[in-house]
Order: sequence, then structure tokens, then C-alpha cells
Amino acid sequence: QVQLVQSGAEVKEPGASVKVSCKASGYTFTTHGINWVRQAPGQGLEWMGWISPHDGNTNHAQKFQGRVTMTTDTSTTTTYMELRSLRSEDTAVYYCARDSGTMGLSGDLDYWGQGTLVIVSP
Amino acid sequence: EIVLTQSPATLSLSPGERATLSCGASQSVSSTYLAWFQQKPGLAPRLLIYDVSSRETGIPDRFSGSGSGTDFTLTISRLEPEDFAVYYCQHFGNSQLTFGGGTKVEIK
Repeated sequence: QVQLVQSGAEVKEPGASVKVSCKASGYTFTTHGINWVRQAPGQGLEWMGWISPHDGNTNHAQKFQGRVTMTTDTSTTTTYMELRSLRSEDTAVYYCARDSGTMGLSGDLDYWGQGTLVIVSP
Repeated sequence: EIVLTQSPATLSLSPGERATLSCGASQSVSSTYLAWFQQKPGLAPRLLIYDVSSRETGIPDRFSGSGSGTDFTLTISRLEPEDFAVYYCQHFGNSQLTFGGGTKVEIK
């Protein structure tokens, strides 16, 4: 069965960086992109971007351009999301979600990781 | 960028009642890509509906989606106890994903 397992909670100081991992199993890793979505406490969902494990192509929300890097490691079927220059507003649960499309970004998020809480605090 | 506005913010209903959730787009959605997610406290969102009206595998048929242009609806025909949750609509277009602000369906 398809599973996405994310790394554990992180506490970071303002200005630092955080790198969250998402290990995929149960399907052919390179045939589906991975999206990253975050949710601030008590708030709604916010899409951050997408990466293709097939060729490394990425697509980011404009808000995060220049501050986020998404990478994949096909040998371990793991996707990473690094967010830099953290501020308190970045405190959120960060989710990875598989894109059901096999020909690039489709926007159909069919399987989700369990979420990783990132707290940004002095 | 298309902005999605969901209404109402909160819907107070009893089990067995019909729930109608609305999602309005700031401009006409040219593609059919409009999805609905359910989220329960402490859990990741769950895909219910994609392409406006297609049910994801395993989703009960009491959930249905409809709409076109700028107005979309998620209908839960008869609320079950496990349906009380927050629901989000989502659009994909111009290589960008956007979510609505959510509707909380709570027990009256």
C-alpha cells in the first residue's frame, strides 16, 4: 500500500533552516511527483510546491520562491523540503502529498504523509 | 491566482441531515480541476472528490460534488457521525494549487 512517512518534529530559532523528509513506499517512486503543503496552527492549507522524482523538475508557489528547496533521493525513495530564513509565521505542520499524475503536476493529491510539526521560536 | 472562498465557515447540523458546502472561485475555472478534502483534528487531509464530481476510491456515495464556472458544491446526502470535520476545496490551474479557507461541519 502507498505510504508516505515524514520525519519528526523540529524546533528552530528564527533565521535558521529546517529540512523535512518524506519517505515513499508502495509504488514506483519516480512515476509520481510530491507536493508540499503546510498548515499553520488553527489555519487552512497552503500549497508550497511540487517536485518530480523522475527528473528533479520543481514548481513552487510564488510566496516561497528563493526560500524553499525541494530535492529527491531515488536511492532511498525520499523527498526533502528545506525552508530557510525561518520566521515565527513559518510555525506549522508540513505535509508531503503524492500527486496522482504520472505526466507532471496534476494537482490531484491522493496520498498524504502524517505531517511534521515545525516550531519557530527564539 | 484564483482565490477560493468557502461558505459557510461553520455548518451546524445533526446526524442524518443533508450538508451543502459551497466553494466560490474569484474567476471562472476553465479546467475541470476542482477537488474536495476532508480533514479531522490531528490528521492529514483526505481526498474525497476530484475533477469536480469524481469520487476517490473508497469514498462513500453519500459524498457528491458538482458545479462549474465559479460555483462549486460538495453535498453530503446524510451525515454520519464520522463526517463531522473540516472540508477544503482546492483548485489546480496555471501550475499552481490553491485551497479554500475551509468549512467546519459540526454537530448541532
